[in-house]
Amino acid sequence: QVQLQESGPGLVKPSQTLSLTCTVSGGSISSGSYYWTWIRQPAGKGLDWIGRISTDGRTDYKPSLKSRVTLSVDTSKNQFFLELSSVTAADTAVYYCARDNVYCTGGSCYPRWFDPWGQGTLVTVSS
Amino acid sequence: DIVMTQSPDSLSVSLGERATINCESSQSLLYRPNNKNYLAWYQQKTGQPPKLLINWASTRESGVPDRFSGSGSGTHFTLTISSLQAEDVAVYYCQQYYTVPVTFGQGTRLEIK
Repeated sequence: QVQLQESGPGLVKPSQTLSLTCTVSGGSISSGSYYWTWIRQPAGKGLDWIGRISTDGRTDYKPSLKSRVTLSVDTSKNQFFLELSSVTAADTAVYYCARDNVYCTGGSCYPRWFDPWGQGTLVTVSS
Repeated sequence: DIVMTQSPDSLSVSLGERATINCESSQSLLYRPNNKNYLAWYQQKTGQPPKLLINWASTRESGVPDRFSGSGSGTHFTLTISSLQAEDVAVYYCQQYYTVPVTFGQGTRLEIK
């Protein structure tokens, strides 16, 4: 079965760029119709959808983060990536990657539920 | 964005009793052409990622115990645990997938009384 694993620095300085990798194992990232998603969770708080990417590079971002977020994918490595620029303490959170089981029709792909999820990685923004 | 609001924020229920969690959306999640509600429920235990329990508001995922059930339509939804077990202690989230950006409720913490 497909598994996801996040990796990247656990500490990022304010104003710098947070960069994370999600590695997909147990299957090809290009297999089936899926979008690959990033979701974050500040300590003790709820889940915050950041954005999603298809294997051909189509993206959707949360509007309030759109100016700072870049998602990319490398199908040859079975990985997708998150970059979040100009970070502040408010970006401190556990970051999850997950698979969006989208439904595609007429050239558009509509979101569905998230399964599976990675275990999450804590990123702290601090000097 | 569609705002998802859960109630209560926290809940204490005795073992074997019923637990009920509510979720309200700021707009209807019912898609009339297929008569489906675009809502999922997740369970998150401490230190773990969320686990998908239910999609389409009432369809249990494979392997999810049948004490978990989802109901509701339009803008009001409910997750019910019919007989609370110790392993059900967790935070529960609803999620709408009617449109991007996908949004979640703030979560309901379920504890044993």
